[in-house]
Amino acid sequence: NAGVTQTPKFRILKIGQSMTLQCTQDMNHNYMYWYRQDPGMGLKLIYYSVGAGITDKGEVPNGYNVSRSTTEDFPLRLELAAPSQTSVYFCASSYSAGLQYFGPGTRLTVL
Amino acid sequence: AQKVTQAQTEISVVEKEDVTLDCVYETRDTTYYLFWYKQPPSGELVFLIRRNSFDEQNEISGRYSWNFQKSTSSFNFTITASQVVDSAVYFCALSEERETSGSRLTFGEGTQLTVNP
Repeated sequence: NAGVTQTPKFRILKIGQSMTLQCTQDMNHNYMYWYRQDPGMGLKLIYYSVGAGITDKGEVPNGYNVSRSTTEDFPLRLELAAPSQTSVYFCASSYSAGLQYFGPGTRLTVL
Repeated sequence: AQKVTQAQTEISVVEKEDVTLDCVYETRDTTYYLFWYKQPPSGELVFLIRRNSFDEQNEISGRYSWNFQKSTSSFNFTITASQVVDSAVYFCALSEERETSGSRLTFGEGTQLTVNP
């Protein structure tokens, strides 16, 4: 099992560009989450999903969109990148309401 | 709203010293889970422990031990005989666990532990 995989590992964007951060899990988990970690800070929840077709906002959703068309995939979309979105992005998944398994993270810089 | 406070931003110790990382939390839920994660310089998150709010027994795992005190809303983490490889950022986290929202985690801001040889 690969667990939770994220692509890309690193990305540099220009202000105003858009991109999609990919997240895939192969554990058949119902729940998936996106967090961001700003330098020197803890993680904050952006969006989460309780199953295919169902998503909801977390603590810091502004500037992001998500979709969940399959159990395995939970992509995070940035439409108009801003320097404030420079961060490390972590995807996670859990079975039911249990322990979360984290991906390795995507380091994004917006210049 | 849930909140996790890690008052110690940075701690520096010499190898073989014991060190305790503090964590204080706030929640209105009666059922919740507390976690500790380690984030080494490589950046990944390493799960260390998960504790149910109904289980106040202390736990020991090798050189690691955890002290959960519901009366003071604290979940402190002690490393005994610290080693250089323990150098990392340590996060305390709290989750509500509901079928309608999964196990959304609220993280503290982390404690940077540096163990010097």
